[in-house]
Order: sequence, then structure tokens, then C-alpha cells
Amino acid sequence: NAGVTQTPKFQVLKTGQSMTLQCAQDMNHNSMYWYRQDPGMGLRLIYYSASEGTTDKGEVPNGYNVSRLNKREFSLRLESAAPSQTSVYFCASSILADTQYFGPGTRLTVL
Amino acid sequence: SQQGEEDPQALSIQEGENATMNCSYKTSINNLQWYRQNSGRGLVHLILIRSNEREKHSGRLRVTLDTSKKSSSLLITASRAADTASYFCATDAWYGNKLVFGAGTILRVKS
Repeated sequence: NAGVTQTPKFQVLKTGQSMTLQCAQDMNHNSMYWYRQDPGMGLRLIYYSASEGTTDKGEVPNGYNVSRLNKREFSLRLESAAPSQTSVYFCASSILADTQYFGPGTRLTVL
Repeated sequence: SQQGEEDPQALSIQEGENATMNCSYKTSINNLQWYRQNSGRGLVHLILIRSNEREKHSGRLRVTLDTSKKSSSLLITASRAADTASYFCATDAWYGNKLVFGAGTILRVKS
């Protein structure tokens, strides 16, 4: 089992460009999450999906959209990237509000 | 705003010593979890303690929970250089399948 996978690992964007971060899990988990991690800030929840077909905003949703494509896949889209979105993005999955399993992260730089 | 706050922000110890990290939170919880993050990697779950538990052990890890003080501690005994990492506490929000993470404690174990 691969666990949680994320693509790409690194990305550099110019201000105003768009991109989609991909996440997939093979553990048959119901819930999936997108976080961003900035220095000294811990992880902040952007969006989450409690189950297939549902998505909800987290603490910092502005500037992002998500799609729960199916039970395995949960993508995060930046429609018009801004320098403030420079961060490391982590996807995670879990069965319930229990142990979360994290992907390796995507390092995004917006110039 | 973050639910969990870790203390200290950084800790440097010698190999073989014990390391203690503390976490305080603000609202009622169902469970509290501790995660480890090695540099440049995703978070890895260490241990979960439920609100009706006071202490839990896993190998060299000991976690305590005091719900009256809204605080938890993580003790790593006989530390090793490989324990060098950031450690985060996470609490479940009272609504939804979500976790709220603290800013973390950076532990450095010198050999």
C-alpha cells in the first residue's frame, strides 16, 4: 500500500497562475483533508471532505477550491496564485476524527 | 486560531536524556493526538489519548492528559538522535471530523 500520495512534490508559480494539487489514498478512508504549513504556524486546515461527495471549509479556505473526485482522490486548486500562498501543502486521510495519515507534501512557491 | 499550543517552542537535549513537551488547549475534546514530523516530511501519528484516559504508553513514549487543566504532556524517555524532529499535538474539534494542530515543539537530540 502506498498510503497517501501527493503530486507534484515541488512547484513554482507566477502570481496569477493556476494549478491543481493532487492527492490520493489507498486505505479506503472516508475523510480527506488539505492543510498548509507555514514556519512557526503548525498546520492549518484549508478544506476537508468528511465523505465522498461532501466538502467543507476549514480555517483558511480563501483562494482555494477542492474537489472530492471519488473516495480515493481529493484535489486542491489555486485559481489565481498569490505570494501569500507560498507554503508547504499536506494532504491527509482518516477513517473518522481519529488518526490521520499524511502525504509527503508539496512545496509551492509563488513569485 | 489554534486549539493546541505546545511548550517549549524548542528543546535541545543530549542523547539518553528524557524530553518533555507540553500542550495546552482551549475547548472540550474527545481525544488528543501527538504527531512527529521529520524535516521535510509529512506528519506521522505517534499516539492518541481519549478524554477519559489519564495516561498512555507506547514504547518510549508516555502521554498524560489532564482535562481539568486542558493540558497534555509527551515524554520521550532515553532519547536518541533519531528522535530529532518537530512534535505537534492535535485536538479534535467538537464538530466534524477535524483536527486542530498546535505550532509544534522542535526537539534536537545531540549525540
